[in-house]
Amino acid sequence: EPEVTQTPSHQVTQMGQEVILRCVPISNHLYFYWYRQILGQKVEFLVSFYNNEISEKSEIFDDQFSVERPDGSNFTLKIRSTKLEDSAMYFCASSVRTSGGGETQYFGPGTRLLVL
Amino acid sequence: QKEVEQDPGPLSVPEGAIVSLNCTYSNSAFQYFMWYRQYSRKGPELLMYTYSSGNKEDGRFTAQVDKSSKYISLFIRDSQPSDSATYLCASASGGSYIPTFGRGTSLIVHP
Repeated sequence: EPEVTQTPSHQVTQMGQEVILRCVPISNHLYFYWYRQILGQKVEFLVSFYNNEISEKSEIFDDQFSVERPDGSNFTLKIRSTKLEDSAMYFCASSVRTSGGGETQYFGPGTRLLVL
Repeated sequence: QKEVEQDPGPLSVPEGAIVSLNCTYSNSAFQYFMWYRQYSRKGPELLMYTYSSGNKEDGRFTAQVDKSSKYISLFIRDSQPSDSATYLCASASGGSYIPTFGRGTSLIVHP
C-alpha cells in the first residue's frame, strides 16, 4: 500500500540554525500539507500546497517557514532560523480530492525536531 | 477558540469491551468528521471519515455524528489490546478541507 514517507525521523539542531524536513507524498496525490504536534498537544495545521503554490497557511506559518516542491516527488518544509519553541513532531500529509466532495489525508510517520 | 474538544483520558478497558470515544465541536460550518488513530511517536492514521450527520460502520468501528448537538462518537466493538492508541477526532468545513483536531483520547485495552 502506498504511503507518505518523511526524512529524517529525528533531527537535533542548535537554535538559530536552518533545518529542512523532507517528505515524499503518495505519488498520485495533488494536495500536500505540513502539520506539527508539540509534545502532549493537538496536531496543528501549518500549510497546504497545491499546484506549486501555497493554498492556505496558519498563523504559525510565519516568515521563518517556507515550503517547496523541488521536483516531482519531494515536498520540503524549511525553517530558516529555528527557535526553542519549534521543537515538535512535524507531519507531512497528502491527499487527493474525490469527485463526491471531501478528501482524506494520509499522514507520514513524522520528523521529531529538537531545538537546543 | 477551542473548536474540537476531547477528554484526554486515559480510558482503560478490558479486552472485548465496547469502547465509546466522544468529541464535541463548536464550529457550525464543520461538515466532515474524521477519526484518526495514533500510536506512540507515529503519524495519525485515518480510521473513519463521515460527511454530515449519521452513522458509518467499518468492521468493529462505528462513527456517529449528531450535528444538532455537535457531538461526534466512535464506538469500538470487541476491543483488542492492539487497539491501544490515542484516538483523534477531527472536523473540517466544506470550504476548507483542513481538519481541526481534538487533543486525542488515550485508550488502553488490557488483556
